[in-house]
Amino acid sequence: DAGITQSPRHKVTETGTPVTLRCHQTENHRYMYWYRQDPGHGLRLIHYSYGVKDTDKGEVSDGYSVSRSKTEDFLLTLESATSSQTSVYFCATQPTVKQGLAFFGQGTRLTVV
Amino acid sequence: DAKTTQPNSMESNEEEPVHLPCNHSTISGTDYIHWYRQLPSQGPEYVIHGLTSNVNNRMASLAIAEDRKSSTLILHRATLRDAAVYYCILTGTASKLTFGTGTRLQVTL
Repeated sequence: DAGITQSPRHKVTETGTPVTLRCHQTENHRYMYWYRQDPGHGLRLIHYSYGVKDTDKGEVSDGYSVSRSKTEDFLLTLESATSSQTSVYFCATQPTVKQGLAFFGQGTRLTVV
Repeated sequence: DAKTTQPNSMESNEEEPVHLPCNHSTISGTDYIHWYRQLPSQGPEYVIHGLTSNVNNRMASLAIAEDRKSSTLILHRATLRDAAVYYCILTGTASKLTFGTGTRLQVTL
């Protein structure tokens, strides 16, 4: 299995506070993704990265920002957390887009109260 | 990105084969067809992928229609551990990895 670590695994935070989730990989994969998963919505793409300092928005990017200063780390930041951002967040990595297999982290359960 | 259409849910009896369909009528000539599954409380995991020819691996088989507008994931003998949400995804040179809602497979004794 690819070495993908998400931290923290669980977090409870208050509305209005900033939160940063970290995805760390040891596979030297070029592509990295952040998703959120809510009941009834499947996995929705928040942001993705196609290289160091190269990122782009997904379908639900409002309220989120990302940074990728090193190949191995992809950070997701909620600038001012809201209750609607309570969700399970998954990180994924992929060596190439077309044929590359994607590997997922175990998820971070974030609760905003 | 080309879209896929899958049934919301399917049921199967344990030890029987399961055929999970996926329609992708707008697939381009260079798009690969990937299948992932998500077990309860886990992140998705890769199952199989192909371009034009049928593919087999230890987990499943992938049957691709000749016109590539549809494909079928085949689990040869479903077990309770195969109960999951199965996602059919197309990937191309410029596409990003996006998921639909998938097919929830229930396996019963």
